[in-house]
Amino acid sequence: DAGITQSPRHKVTETGTPVTLRCHQTENHRYMYWYRQDPGHGLRLIHYSYGVKDTDKGEVSDGYSVSRSKTEDFLLTLESATSSQTSVYFCAIAGQRGGNTIYFGEGSWLTVV
Amino acid sequence: GESVGLHLPTLSVQEGDNSIINCAYSNSASDYFIWYKQESGKGPQFIIDIRSNMDKRQGQRVTVLLNKTVKHLSLQIAATQPGDSAVYFCAENIGAGNMLTFGGGTRLMVKP
Repeated sequence: DAGITQSPRHKVTETGTPVTLRCHQTENHRYMYWYRQDPGHGLRLIHYSYGVKDTDKGEVSDGYSVSRSKTEDFLLTLESATSSQTSVYFCAIAGQRGGNTIYFGEGSWLTVV
Repeated sequence: GESVGLHLPTLSVQEGDNSIINCAYSNSASDYFIWYKQESGKGPQFIIDIRSNMDKRQGQRVTVLLNKTVKHLSLQIAATQPGDSAVYFCAENIGAGNMLTFGGGTRLMVKP
């Protein structure tokens, strides 16, 4: 258990509504990530954080924003959810730069109807 | 939870046999590689890693082989058990940061 808690674990929302997913870690790791996983696309990086208030875009960042006000929390926000954002979202953490192991949470299943 | 990777390549092995899962990576500058196991409805779970200055690394019942000449990675599982049934992903990291690029995954099915 990598000490990562994602919430909510399952959510159904309507198109156009805002949604926030929360990732909480108890490992005091510096790096946090949000990935999405879709059939045929594997795991793709949305945004990542390398410290409090330090974030950057990943491969598929359009339509998403993130915030990290504390070391332990990394929030992913869909400002106006679309059906293409129906996916499984995984938070991940890592301690150091240069290839330190990345550990994943259990996932958040989001359905946009 | 729902399964992911509906059209993954599948490897079917008999319980007790050895399994070999292959992965071709894309970037010759990648210097760190990880194998993950993902069971249905769960997050990817770290299995074993290897750095580019190594050709082989062994763990408990698992061995990772790295062939940098042909950019190929393999995961060997000894005495495969039903609990090994899952989707296996390789991931590569380029040294500039801690971002992983994932392969498409292989589904391992273990027949009792």
